[in-house]
Order: sequence, then C-alpha cells, then structure tokens
Amino acid sequence: DTEVTQTPKHLVMGMTNKKSLKCEQHMGHRAMYWYKQKAKKPPELMFVYSYEKLSINESVPSRFSPECPNSSLLNLHLHALQPEDSALYLCASSQEAIGAWGGYTFGSGTRLTVV
Amino acid sequence: GQQVMQIPQYQHVQEGEDFTTYCNSSTTLSNIQWYKQRPGGHPVFLIQLVKSGEVKKQKRLTFQFGEAKKNSSLHITATQTTDVGTYFCAGPDLLSNTGKLIFGQGTTLQVKP
Repeated sequence: DTEVTQTPKHLVMGMTNKKSLKCEQHMGHRAMYWYKQKAKKPPELMFVYSYEKLSINESVPSRFSPECPNSSLLNLHLHALQPEDSALYLCASSQEAIGAWGGYTFGSGTRLTVV
Repeated sequence: GQQVMQIPQYQHVQEGEDFTTYCNSSTTLSNIQWYKQRPGGHPVFLIQLVKSGEVKKQKRLTFQFGEAKKNSSLHITATQTTDVGTYFCAGPDLLSNTGKLIFGQGTTLQVKP
C-alpha cells in the first residue's frame, strides 16, 4: 500500500461545529504531517508527528487540535473555526522526519469550507 | 529565516515547446525535492536530489541540483498537455531538522494544444 488516505474529501461546517479530519497510511512511515493550502499558494505546515510524538506545532490556533492515536493514523480535530480557515487540508507522511527523507506522500486532501 | 524562491510564477507554452523552472534556496540544502500538483489535485512527489551537481532524468523531465546545493532546476522537453499543473520545489528546514519542508511558491505551467 503506497497511499495516504484522507477522509472526508469535502467538508462544510458552521463556525460553531466540531468536526474531525482523518488520515491513514500503511507504508510504515514514521513521520506524519498536517499542511494547509490556500488557492494558488504552496502548502503551509501546521503540525509534524515523528514516531507518534508531536514535534512541531507551527503556532497553529488552538481551534485546530491534532492527535496521533497510533503510527498509522493522524487526526485533526476542528472546533469553532473561522471562514478564513477554509482551505485544502493535506495530510502527508515520510519514511523519517529528518530531512523529510524519501519525500512526502500526500493524501488527496480535505477541502474544507467554513460558513 | 530560511527561504526557497522559485521562478517564474507562471509559464504558458505551446505544446511541444520546452519549459524550465528554477529554484533558489537561501541556505545550503541536504536535499531538494520536486512535487507536481495538477489542478484540483494534491502534490505528488517527483524526485529527491541529494548530491552536489546531481542530474536525474525521468522520461522528458530533467532535474538538476547545483554544485553549491543551493539551487535546482526542472526542465521539461517537448511539453504535452498532461504536463499542466503547478511544480513546487522544496527543501528541508535545517533549523528544526524535523521533517518540515520549505516550499517554493510554485511555477504554474499552462500548455496550449
């Protein structure tokens, strides 16, 4: 299995809702990432997990809460989001964190709209 | 802070013409990676370059890593409509060394049939 699976593919949520994004990989990769991408911009890092431990939080607002239940799963819990949080949320994994060695495998993303 | 700059931002070519995008890092990189993102899609890893002066080819795509390991280029020979998309270069963040990639702004390629 050489894929990163993300669900849901599309999500519309109100500003008072709570929702979760899910990401799964079975490649044995030890590093997993959440990125946010706005239209016509490069991906912007939010969080890095290495060996199931959070190693980077890029000063992300607390309305985004990551969770890594095991080495194959990564969740992003969303609460009280703002319309400006609407974006494509990408999960990625790599063999190891150091040097992002071997490159990232990205999931197909969740296109989030906050209304 | 560490920056990765990429030019041009957009390129429109006629099918069959060549295309090149250039990437420059403010710091020496341990490796540089290239990704392609089709319209409406997600970034897909193309290649990782590690050695100074390295050149790698994938069919019509040629990737180069500069001698100082601070710049890189992607050249496509005889573009096809399937080459349409945004090409990103990315280098590891050396300060954190935690897997974070710093992406260039991307070059969006349009190919006219």
